[in-house]
Amino acid sequence: QVQLQESGPGLVKPSQTLSLTCTVSGGSISSGSYYWSWIRQPAGKGLEWIGRIYTSGSTSYNPSLKSRVTISVDTSKNQFSLKLTSVTAADTAVYYCAREGAEGSWGQGTLVTVSS
Amino acid sequence: QTVVTQEPSLTVSPGGTVTLTCASSTGTVTSDYYPNWFQQKPGQAPRALIYSTSNKHSWTPARFSGSLLGGKAALTLSGVQPEDEAEYYCQLYYGGARVFGGGTKLTVL
Repeated sequence: QVQLQESGPGLVKPSQTLSLTCTVSGGSISSGSYYWSWIRQPAGKGLEWIGRIYTSGSTSYNPSLKSRVTISVDTSKNQFSLKLTSVTAADTAVYYCAREGAEGSWGQGTLVTVSS
Repeated sequence: QTVVTQEPSLTVSPGGTVTLTCASSTGTVTSDYYPNWFQQKPGQAPRALIYSTSNKHSWTPARFSGSLLGGKAALTLSGVQPEDEAEYYCQLYYGGARVFGGGTKLTVL
C-alpha cells in the first residue's frame, strides 16, 4: 500500500508563503491514473479540500483558495507540493496530503501555524 | 457557494444499523458526484472508507456500505461495533473541485 508523508515548516509568518511537500513511498507517483490531493483541517473543525494534481500534471483548486494556491509534482523525487501565498491566521491548520481513488491513502498530517 | 450537508450527530446501539447521508445544495446527488466517505477518529488522520458511491477499499470492513438513497449519498453501517465511534465525512465532486460535508459525529452507545 502506498504511503504518504507531509513535510515542511511548522510555523509561517503572516503574509508569507506556506510550502509543504508530500513524499510518496511504496509506489511511483507517475504510475497509474491517480489524483494527488491536499486537504486541511483547522483545530476542532471539519475538512477543507484545497486542490489536487493529476498524474498528467493537470490541476484543480478550491475556488475560495484558487488565487493563492499552487500544486505541483516532481516525479523524479516522487513528491508533490503545495504552495499557499499571503497566509493569515485563518490558514492555521493540520495539512494532509492524500491519494484519491482505489486504495486511497492519507498522510498523517502536519500542523502549520501562521503567527508572527 | 456549494454546500454539502451531513447530519451533525447520530447515535446508534452496538450491533445496530445506522445510515449517514450526504446532501448537495445543487440538488439530487447522483453517481456523477463520485461520493467518497472518510472516517476520522480523535487525534488521527482521516481514513478512506468508500469511493465513487459504493466501492470499498481493501481495508474497509464489510459492515460499511455506500449507496445513493433518496437523492443523497448514503453510508450504512450494519452491525455497528464500538470502534466505529468516530467522525464521518462525505465528499462530493463538482466538475473539477471536491467539497467535503461538515461531518457526522457517530456515537455508539
